[in-house]
Amino acid sequence: DAGVIQSPRHEVTEMGQEVTLRCKPISGHDYLFWYRQTMMRGLELLIYFNNNVPIDDSGMPEDRFSAKMPNASFSTLKIQPSEPRDSAVYFCASRTGGRPQHFGDGTRLSIL
Amino acid sequence: QKEVEQNSGPLSVPEGAIASLNCTYSDRGSQSFFWYRQYSGKSPELIMFIYSNGDKEDGRFTAQLNKASQYVSLLIRDSQPSDSATYLCAVMGTGNQFYFGTGTSLTVIP
Repeated sequence: DAGVIQSPRHEVTEMGQEVTLRCKPISGHDYLFWYRQTMMRGLELLIYFNNNVPIDDSGMPEDRFSAKMPNASFSTLKIQPSEPRDSAVYFCASRTGGRPQHFGDGTRLSIL
Repeated sequence: QKEVEQNSGPLSVPEGAIASLNCTYSDRGSQSFFWYRQYSGKSPELIMFIYSNGDKEDGRFTAQLNKASQYVSLLIRDSQPSDSATYLCAVMGTGNQFYFGTGTSLTVIP
């Protein structure tokens, strides 16, 4: 079975540019999560969706961050404009019901 | 108070020893508990889950749950250098919210 698929795996861009991260959840999973991980703050939940509807976006750091899930098989996390402090590894995860979450390989983002 | 608490470590054990990782949680209504392993530069990988009080064994791994004490642990028997990683405790609280601890770094010394 295909796992959670994220793209790109690595992104290096200059401050002020728009960054779009993409995620394809596991087929049949009805929950999708976006996390950010840094050495200082660990794994932080940014936002999660249930049946394509955003449920809790309280972890989104500020208005520069936005996330969408237009259908059950695709989600995006966008940062505009990007700043150096946004540099981190961004993970997408999915699950169904009360089952465990499964993570994608992550996107390593570097903002110069 | 954080939802899930773990000692950040680092925890060092000699090869062949038992490594004991601990986690406490605040939501008394939590029903599902998970342990993830994360190697440096990789994504978290599910290794164990437990729903009922008591012990659950899978190979060299044993998860222990005590709901009365709001405590969950992971024992790794016959620790190997390949077990060196960060271990994340995760708890699904009431309302299906999923909370992660900050992780415990484990080093197994050959």
